[in-house]
Order: sequence, then C-alpha cells, then structure tokens
Amino acid sequence: DAKTTQPPSMDCAEGRAANLPCNHSTISGNEYVYWYRQIHSQGPQYIIHGLKNNETNEMASLIITEDRKSSTLILPHATLRDTAVYYCIVRVKIQGAQKLVFGQGTRLTINP
Amino acid sequence: EPEVTQTPSHQVTQMGQEVILRCVPISNHLYFYWYRQILGQKVEFLVSFYNNEISEKSEIFDDQFSVERPDGSNFTLKIRSTKLEDSAMYFCASGGRGSTDTQYFGPGTRLTVL
Repeated sequence: DAKTTQPPSMDCAEGRAANLPCNHSTISGNEYVYWYRQIHSQGPQYIIHGLKNNETNEMASLIITEDRKSSTLILPHATLRDTAVYYCIVRVKIQGAQKLVFGQGTRLTINP
Repeated sequence: EPEVTQTPSHQVTQMGQEVILRCVPISNHLYFYWYRQILGQKVEFLVSFYNNEISEKSEIFDDQFSVERPDGSNFTLKIRSTKLEDSAMYFCASGGRGSTDTQYFGPGTRLTVL
C-alpha cells in the first residue's frame, strides 16, 4: 500500500497558487518524495521530486518539512490545464528497477 | 523532448484472444515497466524489466502475462488469453540509471475485452 496520505479533493481558483499537502510520517532516510499527476485518463506525468531540500522546477515547487514527515506541492499560478489527480509517492532512489506505488491521490479542480 | 510512445491507443478484443501491447521507451533508458489502471481505480504496478529479464512482478502479473524486449527499441506486454477483467488502461514507463531514474510514462493503451 501507498505510504502517503493526501486529501481526496481540493479546489483552487485560476491564477492562484495551489498548495497540495501530503503526509508521509513513516518515510525512511533514503526515501525520496515524488509527485506525479494524471490528467483525465492520460499517463501519469512526472512533476518533481526531492529528498530533504526544497526543490523548484518549471512546473512546481516542492516544500519538505524539516522532519520530512510531510510535504507540499505548490503550483504557483494554477491554470485550468492543471486540473488533474496529483499523486505523492515515496520511493527509494537506488539503482535498479524500483516500482512506483500509487495511492488515490488528490483530485485538484481549478475553477475559472 | 524524448517521450514514451505506446500503440495502439485503443484495442478491442474478444475474451480468450491474445493481445500484444507495444511500447517504445525513451532511447537511453534501461528500466522498463508496465502498469495498469482499471476504470475508476488506482494505477497498479504490473512488472519491471531490466537487462532482458523481469526484475519484479506483482500478483496481477500471472502466467497469462509476459513481457519482451524483442529488439533495441520495443517493449511489449502480451496477454495470452484475455479475460473481461483485463479491461483497463495499460501504461508503459521507462527510467534511466542513477540520478536520471525518474520514470516517464506513455499515454497508455485502452484495452477493452468483450
């Protein structure tokens, strides 16, 4: 089973920042936090990942608490195209084929 | 930007028939995966593949399923005798090595078993 807890749904107004929380209280020291999203029935899309430092890329920012027991994905200026199911996944990042374990995710709806 | 591709986008088959789902992973990737998603349910891991052999498989991946990398570019999932409950979206993913081991997914093949 997934080792993360996410709210089942959230709403956000277009143009505002969307902040998606994730709890991973049993995360191990060598586990990374990954975020993916799935728009309708398309393939999951990689967004960002991190270990303990905050990370930012062209899509989003990832804020990980100091104790690493929770994190927040931030979409700084949400658009209608960001409406999707967002998955927070913890995963060991070592060489070798490491599966992803998806939970139910958060269904984010961006409203005009 | 390189991407994972899958064919066909939609496959309709009769129960008991064999189907082969095809994937072209990102060219310099070494790890290959199949996942499936039954309508309205979670994305589920099926199998991972590295160095021409299965690395890990789930309970779903029984003897009816097989994977193959027949040449340097394609990665296939075969279902030998399809059942109604095999109807789902099937996603292929590939990942690199070390710091580039993030998995990237294809658009999926919708399999409908009648």
